[in-house]
Amino acid sequence: NAGVTQTPKFQVLKTGQSMTLQCAQDMNHNSMYWYRQDPGMGLRLIYYSASEGTTDKGEVPNGYNVSRLNKREFSLRLESAAPSQTSVYFCASSVAGRPYEQYFGPGTRLTVT
Amino acid sequence: QKEVEQDPGPLSVPEGAIVSLNCTYSNSAFQYFMWYRQYSRKGPELLMYTYSSGNKEDGRFTAQVDKSSKYISLFIRDSQPSDSATYLCATGQGTYKYIFGTGTRLKVLA
Repeated sequence: NAGVTQTPKFQVLKTGQSMTLQCAQDMNHNSMYWYRQDPGMGLRLIYYSASEGTTDKGEVPNGYNVSRLNKREFSLRLESAAPSQTSVYFCASSVAGRPYEQYFGPGTRLTVT
Repeated sequence: QKEVEQDPGPLSVPEGAIVSLNCTYSNSAFQYFMWYRQYSRKGPELLMYTYSSGNKEDGRFTAQVDKSSKYISLFIRDSQPSDSATYLCATGQGTYKYIFGTGTRLKVLA
């Protein structure tokens, strides 16, 4: 039981490049989330997926797109990376009806130069 | 004013001490309160959550919520060097969106 896994662990991009961050969970959770964590800002919700087939914006969705590929997988895409998107990105998941009980992955450290 | 405020620390205590970590929040509609532990360069790990006011205990950890003063606390008894980490509080209304504090860095000295 690996929990929540994220790939890649580290990535360096140049401004304007695109990339997709991958997340998968093996806990049969319905809901999945993407956060970014910046110094002095705390964790901020980018997008979430309450259940397979649905996605909704969080607090900071601009510059990102998401895809809920199936119940297990939820990806985050940066279409044209900007230095302001340099951050640590975390994926999380939760059981249906218990969004306050989220389980986080190990994170992806992204640097945009 | 931020919706959730948390002292960044660092807070240094000797091994065996009782640690008190605190957050304040501004929205009286918030009903769920969570505490996460985050080791350096790792993902947050849920320690416990509480609903509405009151206390909740889990081993050496006790979470306390005072809705009248919009104040939430996490107490760690018999602190250990392995408790050294950043502790994040989070709160929300029970939907999918939660507000996280910036975290308090704790160091437990052996």
